[in-house]
Amino acid sequence: NAGVTQTPKFRILKIGQSMTLQCTQDMNHNYMYWYRQDPGMGLKLIYYSVGAGITDKGEVPNGYNVSRSTTEDFPLRLELAAPSQTSVYFCASSPSSGNPDTQYFGPGTRLTVL
Amino acid sequence: ELKVEQNPLFLSMQEGKNYTIYCNYSTTSDRLYWYRQDPGKSLESLFVLLSNGAVKQEGRLMASLDTKARLSTLHITAAVHDLSATYFCAVIRFSGNTPLVFGKGTRLSVIA
Repeated sequence: NAGVTQTPKFRILKIGQSMTLQCTQDMNHNYMYWYRQDPGMGLKLIYYSVGAGITDKGEVPNGYNVSRSTTEDFPLRLELAAPSQTSVYFCASSPSSGNPDTQYFGPGTRLTVL
Repeated sequence: ELKVEQNPLFLSMQEGKNYTIYCNYSTTSDRLYWYRQDPGKSLESLFVLLSNGAVKQEGRLMASLDTKARLSTLHITAAVHDLSATYFCAVIRFSGNTPLVFGKGTRLSVIA
């Protein structure tokens, strides 16, 4: 049982480049989330999904897009990378937001935009 | 808007001492979580607190929740070096666009 996996672990982008951060969970969780963590800060929610085909914006969605075609996968797309998007990105999943079970986090992707 | 404040943000404590980390939140919430993060690592769940007066303990850590005061505490007993990490509280409301809102974290350093 791998839990939540993310790829890549590290990436350096040039301004204006695009990339997709991959996230997969094998726990059959309905809810999935993308967060970013800036240095010395807590996590901020970018997007979340309550099930396949359903996504919604979080606190800081600008500059990002997501899709959820399957229960397992929840990729995060950066279309035109900017230095402000330098951060560590965490994907998480949970059975449901109403369930007392907590969210399970992936190992993170450290992104630098130069 | 739901906001979460932790204090202190930095804490250096000696081994064997006791201390408390505080987490205040601004509006009614449905659930409160405590997480631990080691440097360069992901977040590890510590506690989920569901209702007023809830208390949970694991080893040297004990978390409590007072929903009337909108306050949760994480108490550390007889600190050891292995507890050095950043501790986050997070609060959830089941309505709105922000299902989980995090505090900025408390960076704990336990020194001999």
